[in-house]
Amino acid sequence: DIVMTQSPDSLAVSLGERATLNCKSSRSVLYDPNNKNYLAWYQQKPGQPPKLLISWASTRESGVPDRFSGSGSGTDFTLTITSMQAEDVAVYYCQQCLSQPYTFGQGTKLEIK
Amino acid sequence: QLHLQESGPGLVKPSETLSLTCTVSGGSFSGSDYYWGWLRQPPGKGLEWIGSIYFTGTTFYNPSLKSQVTISLDTPKYQFSLKLSSVTAADTAVYYCTRQISNYGWPRFSDSWGQGILVTVSS
Repeated sequence: DIVMTQSPDSLAVSLGERATLNCKSSRSVLYDPNNKNYLAWYQQKPGQPPKLLISWASTRESGVPDRFSGSGSGTDFTLTITSMQAEDVAVYYCQQCLSQPYTFGQGTKLEIK
Repeated sequence: QLHLQESGPGLVKPSETLSLTCTVSGGSFSGSDYYWGWLRQPPGKGLEWIGSIYFTGTTFYNPSLKSQVTISLDTPKYQFSLKLSSVTAADTAVYYCTRQISNYGWPRFSDSWGQGILVTVSS
């Protein structure tokens, strides 16, 4: 199985500041034939289901604010929130969908400093 | 707006079979662009993919659960179901049904989620 490791486990960021969340996979999730990274980011607020924010490592889903961006390739990925807002408090998960079983990172809990 | 809703018992006894149904509304259910999947999240823990089903009935299961899991489809009712046999306390979790993007014939990201249903395994 591909192991997904997120860092840090928790992060406190001041309102308006940048938040950087990391995700590392134990094997590359880049599929060479289409040059796509099979990596997604989800946001889960308390008591709610996860919400897909980013697919293919860097494609923002419809309706997701542009302060959220995804980057990286191969085994190392980053979710960046350029200006932290109160509504961004949540747990963020990365998931690889290249190889079954599809696996998630343990999550990064993002809070306000 | 696609809507998914899980239903089923919230309490199951150890060694019995957990059975859940997901009802889909507000969108196409038999299209080729999507799979329908189940994931779970133990209280206070992370997410686990259980398995997925295509409109043709093709299924994929997490190998760690394959011996316990059956996912089936009832297309006329816009429903798909999960059965998990021989449950233990370790199967206590919030169970989510999701729509998953199909790519190269496999399920991928979950772009739409139900609210989830907590199932507790206890005598």
